[in-house]
Amino acid sequence: DGGITQSPKYLFRKEGQNVTLSCEQNLNHDAMYWYRQDPGQGLRLIYYSQIVNDFQKGDIAEGYSVSREKKESFPLTVTSAQKNPTAFYLCASNRGPHNEQFFGPGTRLTVL
Amino acid sequence: KNEVEQSPQNLTAQEGEFITINCSYSVGISALHWLQQHPGGGIVSLFMLSSGKKKHGRLIATINIQEKHSSLHITASHPRDSAVYICAVEIDDMRFGAGTRLTVKP
Repeated sequence: DGGITQSPKYLFRKEGQNVTLSCEQNLNHDAMYWYRQDPGQGLRLIYYSQIVNDFQKGDIAEGYSVSREKKESFPLTVTSAQKNPTAFYLCASNRGPHNEQFFGPGTRLTVL
Repeated sequence: KNEVEQSPQNLTAQEGEFITINCSYSVGISALHWLQQHPGGGIVSLFMLSSGKKKHGRLIATINIQEKHSSLHITASHPRDSAVYICAVEIDDMRFGAGTRLTVKP
């Protein structure tokens, strides 16, 4: 079945450690996105990629990094520079602008 | 002020009631999306609209571009409709409302 997978579902890290969240899609979508969700707030865009080997910063990119070496994969690294990394992280993909976005199940990151 | 405002923030209904969730936005958009987020966190796209009205089963979405307003209606609501409903607008990227938490009681 086609879809988007994120792993792991729950992730715990010590403060000061970098951590990488996985996002894989087999929908043959060109565009992929990373969002952060905090309680009581709308989703906020961290990074997005419209095509392989290219990505753009979203509204809250500071403290995060991404890569897009393969069409299927868009991993997100939460670095120690991110001041408040505990959140729910959602990955999404679509064929491009003005198309429905498909979301992964999310990763809940807790930094202790 | 947030570019996308949803109301109400929380909504409790009895099974069978007609539900309306509203979304207002303040900028020109190319499309509007309604999403459903289940308690486990997964998000499903319900509708993408650029004009008029769309219907899927018991769900109806409408948009008025001139008034910068959209509504999501649920007819004959059921406890399984309990979820957070999120409005999102496409500008150069996607902007999301904070969501409406719907609880339907049996």
